[in-house]
Formats: sequence, structure tokens, C-alpha cells
Amino acid sequence: EPEVTQTPSHQVTQMGQEVILRCVPISNHLYFYWYRQILGQKVEFLVSFYNNEISEKSEIFDDQFSVERPDGSNFTLKIRSTKLEDSAMYFCASSDIRVSYEQYFGPGTRLTVT
Amino acid sequence: AQSVTQLGSHVSVSEGALVLLRCNYSSSVPPYLFWYVQYPNQGLQLLLKYTSAATLVKGINGFEAEFKKSETSFHLTKPSAHMSDAAEYFCAVLSGGYQKVTFGTGTKLQVIP
Repeated sequence: EPEVTQTPSHQVTQMGQEVILRCVPISNHLYFYWYRQILGQKVEFLVSFYNNEISEKSEIFDDQFSVERPDGSNFTLKIRSTKLEDSAMYFCASSDIRVSYEQYFGPGTRLTVT
Repeated sequence: AQSVTQLGSHVSVSEGALVLLRCNYSSSVPPYLFWYVQYPNQGLQLLLKYTSAATLVKGINGFEAEFKKSETSFHLTKPSAHMSDAAEYFCAVLSGGYQKVTFGTGTKLQVIP
């Protein structure tokens, strides 16, 4: 069964550094998403992406964040200058709303900012 | 805006007992509702989804949920808990013009031998 994959599984970085989290969505899906879960808290929506542009974003998704689909398979989340409070689990998801509104989630990348 | 509320951040049941995890939704339009499970240090796995086809929805691992419009509820149940059911469960609703999933705060299920 097709699945969303994410790399790396764990990323440690120093405050102020740039990080790029990578995702490979399910191949025929057209909508892509990023969510985050701070330890012990609920999962929060960050951004949705369709047709090579952001279709919706939350207030969390400020100028420090950007998303890109650099090629036909990858979907990335970049944090330009990481802060301690960016430490969280980041989930990528994808969907094909022509078939179903269900979003398929990847296993997540745990980002630790020191 | 669509939202969900989960009652009880922690629920403990004995092995073999009924599991009941509560979720109430708020939505001005017919909602698309989901239950996800998260095992320790793992990602989110879809248990089941409600998309208005049937009010009683059966999912994986013996779980089911009933959509009750009159009570704005979508509670998750399982007749007999197993040790392997110990995890965190999230109720969620599709929102934002179907662009995003809004999650509840989660309920951690503990199964006591």
C-alpha cells in the first residue's frame, strides 16, 4: 500500500540554523500538508499546498517557514532560523480529494533545537 | 469554524473491558470526522472516518464510532480492550474548506492487565 515517507526521522540542530524537512507524498496525490505536534500537545495544522502554491496556512506559519515542491516527488518544509520553540514532531500528509478527503500522514520527523 | 472536543485526557480500562473515548464536534456544515491513533514515538494512523454514508462506522482493530447529530458526538468504542490498544487517540474534523484537519487534544488510553 502506498505511504507517505519522511526524512530524516530525527533532526537535531542549533538555534538559529536552517533546517529542511523532507517528505515524499503518495504519488498520485495533489494536495500536501504539514502539521506539527509539540511534545505533549495536540497536532496543529501548519500549511496546505496545491498546484505549486500555498492554499491555506495557519498563524503559526510565519515568515520563518516556507514550503516547496522542488521536483515531482518531494515536498519540503524549511525553517530559516530555528528557535527553541520549533522543537516538535513535524508530520507531512497528502490527499487526493478527487477520491477522498482523507489525509494520509507520514511517520513524522522529530526536530530538536538546542 | 469546525472543531472537536475530547473529554478526558486520560482513560484507564481493564483488559477485556469496554473502551469508550468521547468526542464532540462543532460544525456549521455536515462534518467529516476522523479518529486517529498514535502509538508511542510513532506517527498518526487512521482508525476510522465518518463521511455521511453511515452513522455507525467500523474501523481497524475492532474499533467503531457512532455519529449522533442530535448530540453532536462521535464517540469511539471497542467492546473488549487489549493491551496493544494502549496509545493516544485523537478525534479530528476536516475544516478550512476541506484544506486541513483540526485535531482534538487527544486521549491517552491505558489498559490495565
